[in-house]
Amino acid sequence: DQQVKQNSPSLSVQEGRISILNCDYTNSMFDYFLWYKKYPAEGPTFLISISSIKDKNEDGRFTVFLNKSAKHLSLHIVPSQPGDSAVYFCAASQGGISSGSARQLTFGSGTQLTVLP
Amino acid sequence: DAGITQSPRHKVTETGTPVTLRCHQTENHRYMYWYRQDPGHGLRLIHYSYGVKDTDKGEVSDGYSVSRSKTEDFLLTLESATSSQTSVYFCAISEPVGRDRSGNTIYFGEGSWLTVV
Repeated sequence: DQQVKQNSPSLSVQEGRISILNCDYTNSMFDYFLWYKKYPAEGPTFLISISSIKDKNEDGRFTVFLNKSAKHLSLHIVPSQPGDSAVYFCAASQGGISSGSARQLTFGSGTQLTVLP
Repeated sequence: DAGITQSPRHKVTETGTPVTLRCHQTENHRYMYWYRQDPGHGLRLIHYSYGVKDTDKGEVSDGYSVSRSKTEDFLLTLESATSSQTSVYFCAISEPVGRDRSGNTIYFGEGSWLTVV
């Protein structure tokens, strides 16, 4: 039973356009969410995060939106670049940003983003 | 670069043999983790450590053991490898949640590709 779901295994977008990657979760105890990017043969790289006390967090071309009532978050990349082509993982955890505990992450299965030149 | 080194990076082994993967960090982070990545499952937590000699099980711990005798090293052992343990293994590190900004995410190593034949 997957608590974090990424229902789109793949997404293709034209360079310069917006990429929207979606993630749904079922565990209402999750209160901190992260996105990771992964290139082939490399480890996942942290991209952006959001706490449940916010509904939006922005960092350059990357924006994450959180809809707690729908248990849904999305990652927007604007404008998309060919170097953004990678697998994107959504992850969730409990403990917010102040619990002093380990950061145990539950991951989605990933979405392969391909940005076409 | 998160200062995490995994070894070996690639290994092929036979069913029934013991295998040990090593993770070494130079960041002096308190928490260390072992995840495995499989198609359709994203990354799943195997074991984690919250200090020297202190470890706990994750979601998919059966068939694995871990040890942490020094802050910088976290070993993952497959006592008797099976074909179902063919996977990519990622070590990760983090600070306690809320300790500083770096505690609000975890950082991954480059991965160890294990094939059990």
